[in-house]
Amino acid sequence: KNEVEQSPQNLTAQEGEFITINCSYSVGISALHWLQQHPGGGIVSLFMLSSGKKKHGRLIATINIQEKHSSLHITASHPRDSAVYICAVGGTGNQFYFGTGTSLTVIP
Amino acid sequence: GAGVSQSPSNKVTEKGKDVELRCDPISGHTALYWYRQSLGQGLEFLIYFQGNSAPDKSGLPSDRFSAERTGGSVSTLTIQRTQQEDSAVYLCASTDAGRLRQFFGPGTRLTVL
Repeated sequence: KNEVEQSPQNLTAQEGEFITINCSYSVGISALHWLQQHPGGGIVSLFMLSSGKKKHGRLIATINIQEKHSSLHITASHPRDSAVYICAVGGTGNQFYFGTGTSLTVIP
Repeated sequence: GAGVSQSPSNKVTEKGKDVELRCDPISGHTALYWYRQSLGQGLEFLIYFQGNSAPDKSGLPSDRFSAERTGGSVSTLTIQRTQQEDSAVYLCASTDAGRLRQFFGPGTRLTVL
């Protein structure tokens, strides 16, 4: 069993749609990270959160520590949002555990 | 300021050869991570350096893999006697002391023929 599970694995949306990507984890964490990886590009850290909710532009990330679950929401999606979104949890030790990613395609 | 840099960006080598991959973290960042991303796979933790502490090598897949960090800054990941299954993108990331946000380098794409 993976320490971090993401869903869906693949997601196609029409421009303007509201998008939700889910992440569940099974380990004790110090923090949860949402990362974005564009095709052929590097990885960018979008959010780091350990409780509650954070918002940056059209992106919103929430975490429920009791349920060991986090969601990444994208409002008014745009084709430039097309990327792989990766959930990563920093364990109570040194390791980071990664989900396998959600590949998002936003169609104009 | 400058982000995390890695070199080379691409490396093609023959099976059995040794390779060295370099990471220059953001200045002042005390923590440095190496990860591997194989084709179609998620990110895999390899090794973690924090300051002058002994590194956490628990993610290294075999004793052919080693890494060092000199002077608390630049890190080198060495793969000896490369195998085809070592082909992947090797990513380096650094964080500040609080381990808040990870800053990733562009990666080194390693291809073992």
